[in-house]
Amino acid sequence: SQKIEQNSEALNIQEGKTATLTCNYTNYSPAYLQWYRQDPGRGPVFLLLIRENEKEKRKERLKVTFDTTLKQSLFHITASQPADSATYLCALDPADRGSTLGRLYFGRGTQLTVWP
Amino acid sequence: EAQVTQNPRYLITVTGKKLTVTCSQNMNHEYMSWYRQDPGLGLRQIYYSMNVEVTDKGDVPEGYKVSRKEKRNFPLILESPSPNQTSLYFCASSLFTPQGGLTDTQYFGPGTRLTVL
Repeated sequence: SQKIEQNSEALNIQEGKTATLTCNYTNYSPAYLQWYRQDPGRGPVFLLLIRENEKEKRKERLKVTFDTTLKQSLFHITASQPADSATYLCALDPADRGSTLGRLYFGRGTQLTVWP
Repeated sequence: EAQVTQNPRYLITVTGKKLTVTCSQNMNHEYMSWYRQDPGLGLRQIYYSMNVEVTDKGDVPEGYKVSRKEKRNFPLILESPSPNQTSLYFCASSLFTPQGGLTDTQYFGPGTRLTVL
């Protein structure tokens, strides 16, 4: 069974709009969660890390939220541009804080297309 | 320049012929990890290492071996490759603490595309 659900395989939005991607998990209490961008044939590129005690984190046009009650993270790209078109992956360490960390589970990704 | 390098980038081999994919990082990172990426299955962790001589299994370790004798290198060994190991492989590294996990950016290599006939 899938450990992490990214609930849209594909998302198409118009340039200038805000893209919102979702990452859901069920059986874990992760200490942190990460978001990556991946272009075809390339390795993932790290974007943001958010910890369990952080509700929100921002970096330029990117914003990530982490709701440990809902077991969900939302990833927002504001003022989206065609250059933002890529696959976006979320990843989490399934271990609880206090346990040995290091394992990572990735979602299957959401392919974002921003059209002019 | 901070980077993770992998070699070879492309490899076609035959069933049963032992092979090694090398991975090296120049950032003095404690943590290194191997992943495979397959269509429809996403990125899955094979093995990871939290420091020299410390390795642990990821999600799909069967058929693979690793070693971490030096901090900068983390080779992936396929003792007897099979066609189901045909995949795109990525190595990655990061700063790490046992209590905090990956504390910063995880850098990925460019990938190794392996075909086992």
